[in-house]
Amino acid sequence: AQTVTQSQPEMSVQEAETVTLSCTYDTSENNYYLFWYKQPPSRQMILVIRQEAYKQQNATENRFSVNFQKAAKSFSLKISDSQLGDTAMYFCAFTDSGGSNYKLTFGKGTLLTVNP
Amino acid sequence: NAGVTQTPKFRILKIGQSMTLQCAQDMNHNYMYWYRQDPGMGLKLIYYSVGAGITDKGEVPNGYNVSRSTTEDFPLRLELAAPSQTSVYFCASSYPGTSSTDTQYFGPGTRLTVL
Repeated sequence: AQTVTQSQPEMSVQEAETVTLSCTYDTSENNYYLFWYKQPPSRQMILVIRQEAYKQQNATENRFSVNFQKAAKSFSLKISDSQLGDTAMYFCAFTDSGGSNYKLTFGKGTLLTVNP
Repeated sequence: NAGVTQTPKFRILKIGQSMTLQCAQDMNHNYMYWYRQDPGMGLKLIYYSVGAGITDKGEVPNGYNVSRSTTEDFPLRLELAAPSQTSVYFCASSYPGTSSTDTQYFGPGTRLTVL
């Protein structure tokens, strides 16, 4: 069974600074997808970024980028120029390429607070 | 498009009562999912469906039932509510086979309290 581990329950960063959230996962699959979802106080789950395991290039979305290390099974999220609106719970999630019917396995989350 | 919608937003149940959480999507997605999120935890899969008429259990199915009679709707039924079912429930949908094949889109959630 796949597992996703987020070792940082809480983190804080000053506005405009950079922060990195960690995620490791365990799987025997070779093809899979990884995601970071953001959950602000509104509770809405918002997709931040996704990475396909067969792509060596790290995904980027504006101020958000990932460091995907397939051999180490590591998938960290870097937020540059942090903004107050980035304050949220961040979840790392995994799905394989169809064998599990694309079910998501989530980590327990990291609560990020951006301070003014 | 409204995306994924859920009703109600909040509900308080007494132990032993029943209710149905509604979920609908207008994106013509064939895959739909129900998750629950307990305080301080990630989401756990309750049930999922790969198309109308096809459903299967997830990680935590006990105490719940689902049906999928149409592509758009995927209701979740609680038959005998228990305090352990106090949680926030999320519905999600996806369309494997498209360019964003694996991405799940979530509804706003339903906060359920069982007293």
